[in-house]
Amino acid sequence: DTGVSQNPRHKITKRGQNVTFRCDPISEHNRLYWYRQTLGQGPEFLTYFQNEAQLEKSRLLSDRFSAERPKGSFSTLEIQRTEQGDSAMYLCASGDDRVEQPQHFGDGTRLSIL
Amino acid sequence: AQSVSQHNHHVILSEAASLELGCNYSYGGTVNLFWYVQYPGQHLQLLLKYFSGDPLVKGIKGFEAEFIKSKFSFNLRKPSVQWSDTAEYFCAVNLPYGNNRLAFGKGNQVVVIP
Repeated sequence: DTGVSQNPRHKITKRGQNVTFRCDPISEHNRLYWYRQTLGQGPEFLTYFQNEAQLEKSRLLSDRFSAERPKGSFSTLEIQRTEQGDSAMYLCASGDDRVEQPQHFGDGTRLSIL
Repeated sequence: AQSVSQHNHHVILSEAASLELGCNYSYGGTVNLFWYVQYPGQHLQLLLKYFSGDPLVKGIKGFEAEFIKSKFSFNLRKPSVQWSDTAEYFCAVNLPYGNNRLAFGKGNQVVVIP
């Protein structure tokens, strides 16, 4: 399968701990997106990379969140000092520069804060 | 900011019934429109997309959607649903320039009863 891969699928942690998620996009895609989805809502944009450059961050992305894409391939999303409100599904998507091509989504990482 | 509205969050219908899901967006300029589907336990998948041209677009699995510019709408339809269409359906919009990030509606949870 050459789709978008996310790890781990599930993460349960105590409040105040740090967590890190990984996304491996489709290899030929230069664009990578992170979204967050909470219960009863559609995915909400968090941040966007073109190659290794982080070009846009949503206001949803507080200072406790940081994302990297060091070599323009895989990306990591870290949440420091997790809070109850961080519980959500974190989705990664990848795409290329062609507007007519849709984004491809991974299965997501479900984060539960105890 | 763009917003996408989907109504009737929960839809229950019997096999062979017709399905129509409404989607309205707020952005006044040129947009690209998408419907994504999420089957239970699976990742978001593209059903269909509209960029330009014929406002009636056909997607996978017998779905179609009609873009009505004057109404800022992009409603999804299927004449006869099957049990396998049980899923969550998301309408999304992006601008045809910039980073292509998607703005999603809240989704419609569709349950088809055999």
